[in-house]
Amino acid sequence: QQNVQQSPESLIVPEGARTSLNCTFSDSASQYFWWYRQHSGKAPKALMSIFSNGEKEEGRFTIHLNKASLHFSLHIRDSQPSDSALYLCAVNTGNYKYVFGAGTRLKVIA
Amino acid sequence: EAAVTQSPRNKVAVTGGKVTLSCNQTNNHNNMYWYRQDTGHGLRLIHYSYGAGSTEKGDIPDGYKASRPSQENFSLILELATPSQTSVYFCASGDEPINQDTQYFGPGTRLLVL
Repeated sequence: QQNVQQSPESLIVPEGARTSLNCTFSDSASQYFWWYRQHSGKAPKALMSIFSNGEKEEGRFTIHLNKASLHFSLHIRDSQPSDSALYLCAVNTGNYKYVFGAGTRLKVIA
Repeated sequence: EAAVTQSPRNKVAVTGGKVTLSCNQTNNHNNMYWYRQDTGHGLRLIHYSYGAGSTEKGDIPDGYKASRPSQENFSLILELATPSQTSVYFCASGDEPINQDTQYFGPGTRLLVL
């Protein structure tokens, strides 16, 4: 049974800071990885995905994946108050079942 | 962007009653999912479907049934609602290939079972 853990549970950073969010998974057969963002009272929305080891950058967001370490992360450069949200990581082992972490609640203060 | 709608948005039900949550998507996605979201648990998969007429069990299917009568519609049915099913329910759809599909979520249904 896949176990997906996120850290930290919550985070407060000043505007302009670099923010790092972490996700670990237990199943070494995991193949596909996502970060979703959920603003308060809203639906989760996909931010980025990565399917092979390494790094991927899109604007202020960078995702790192290290399958051997069972770890992937999301880094936000120049964090903005609008980035304040619940961040969810998701892992798929190659079937229809996606497993989500419990989330990291980020607050960016101006 | 994919459009996924859910109804009702809020629902109060009594213990032992039947509850049906509906989901509609207009982007012709084959894959659809039902999740519940509870504090400390993130999103947990209840049922999913890979096309009209198909339903499959997710990680927490007990107490729930699903129905996919068409490409666009996917319902979640609680035959005998219990207070432990009080939660926020999200429907999602995804484009292929199935294992790599980004999921598009509806706005959620807040269910309170008294």
